[in-house]
Amino acid sequence: GENVEQHPSTLSVQEGDSAVIKCTYSDSASNYFPWYKQELGKRPQLIIDIRSNVGEKKDQRIAVTLNKTAKHFSLHITETQPEDSAVYFCAASIGYKLSFGAGTTVTVRA
Amino acid sequence: GAGVSQTPSNKVTEKGKYVELRCDPISGHTALYWYRQSLGQGPEFLIYFQGTGAADDSGLPNDRFFAVRPEGSVSTLKIQRTERGDSAVYLCASSLQGGNSPLHFGNGTRLTVT
Repeated sequence: GENVEQHPSTLSVQEGDSAVIKCTYSDSASNYFPWYKQELGKRPQLIIDIRSNVGEKKDQRIAVTLNKTAKHFSLHITETQPEDSAVYFCAASIGYKLSFGAGTTVTVRA
Repeated sequence: GAGVSQTPSNKVTEKGKYVELRCDPISGHTALYWYRQSLGQGPEFLIYFQGTGAADDSGLPNDRFFAVRPEGSVSTLKIQRTERGDSAVYLCASSLQGGNSPLHFGNGTRLTVT
């Protein structure tokens, strides 16, 4: 099955700086790559996703890039704010089954 | 509109007991998923329903786990003879069509087996 690895496991950034989270996947047939944000005790919420026919996608301060050849994809958050503090999960899927990374705990220091 | 609803939000049970966890998906969503999330980990796939049928139950850890969705809407995850290792947050998600449609998660049920 699909195996997704996520780095780093924790990330501390100064407010206003950028945060980058990287993920790799094992199955070259994977074609859908969502990112979820999970605040403590709450549900995972989709923040952005990208499909395999697209190399980059941006939504305000959040962007995702995909390199299919290298089988890796990254989340970029610019101008970080305290409300960006949360656990972020990457995922990859072939069809309906999402495989998640282990998560990155992001702390934005004021 | 209403999101995915899961009940109960917390469940504490003794080892060996039977539990049922309920999920109400978003209205109109044909695909429903159960995931399990252990502390410090990402969600782990358990089972996928398309309509009333379990299209893929390959993630269920053993035959103590079973899930149903008899009318294609509400789903129940059933765990028999609970073990301490079953303690986790059980997340339900739904999507409009399955495939690569975005998943919408519920708040989960935190199961603690003592």
